[in-house]
Amino acid sequence: LAKTTQPISMDSYEGQEVNITCSHNNIATNDYITWYQQFPSQGPRFIIQGYKTKVTNEVASLFIPADRKSSTLSLPRVSLSDTAVYYCLVGPNSGGYQKVTFGTGTKLQVIP
Amino acid sequence: NAGVTQTPKFQVLKTGQSMTLQCAQDMNHNSMYWYRQDPGMGLRLIYYSASEGTTDKGEVPNGYNVSRLNKREFSLRLESAAPSQTSVYFCASSVRASSHSEQYFGPGTRLTVT
Repeated sequence: LAKTTQPISMDSYEGQEVNITCSHNNIATNDYITWYQQFPSQGPRFIIQGYKTKVTNEVASLFIPADRKSSTLSLPRVSLSDTAVYYCLVGPNSGGYQKVTFGTGTKLQVIP
Repeated sequence: NAGVTQTPKFQVLKTGQSMTLQCAQDMNHNSMYWYRQDPGMGLRLIYYSASEGTTDKGEVPNGYNVSRLNKREFSLRLESAAPSQTSVYFCASSVRASSHSEQYFGPGTRLTVT
């Protein structure tokens, strides 16, 4: 399984765009990049997944450069409710089955 | 849909006792997982079941056993609990949608071993 490296913590003011970068130098050809969000005392929740270039959904964007050795999760105009831990995962998908490793994540604190 | 349910929500065990953590999903997902999360840490995969009838070890399987009872249910058993197994245990199931694969997590079981 590919190892990921992300900042331990970040602070942001409400209304700003937040970019969290993840490094995954040993990503394999068949690996996907997935981001999850976790609030205290809850299980993680899926945010976004991509393989290459850019993926956007209703809550976030994921930017993946051509070499795929890193990725950036972009959260537009964060609010206090976005305060959470964000995990970057790298691993293969196979018919819905994912064997991935959660690192320690990035603790995002949104400040009023 | 209830999604992924876990029982119990809380449990206190004495060293050496055994127990089974139950997990069920009603989303017809093929794959299911058990993770543990220690304070301030990320999740670590204990066991997973890619499909009904198969189970495999994850990153930290020692001290645990699992049973994929049917497509809905995936249980985790601690045969002889140790203080090092004090943790929050999350069950998850996954599906491949048209654009991505996604894991759905249960609310967790908070286990303390004294």
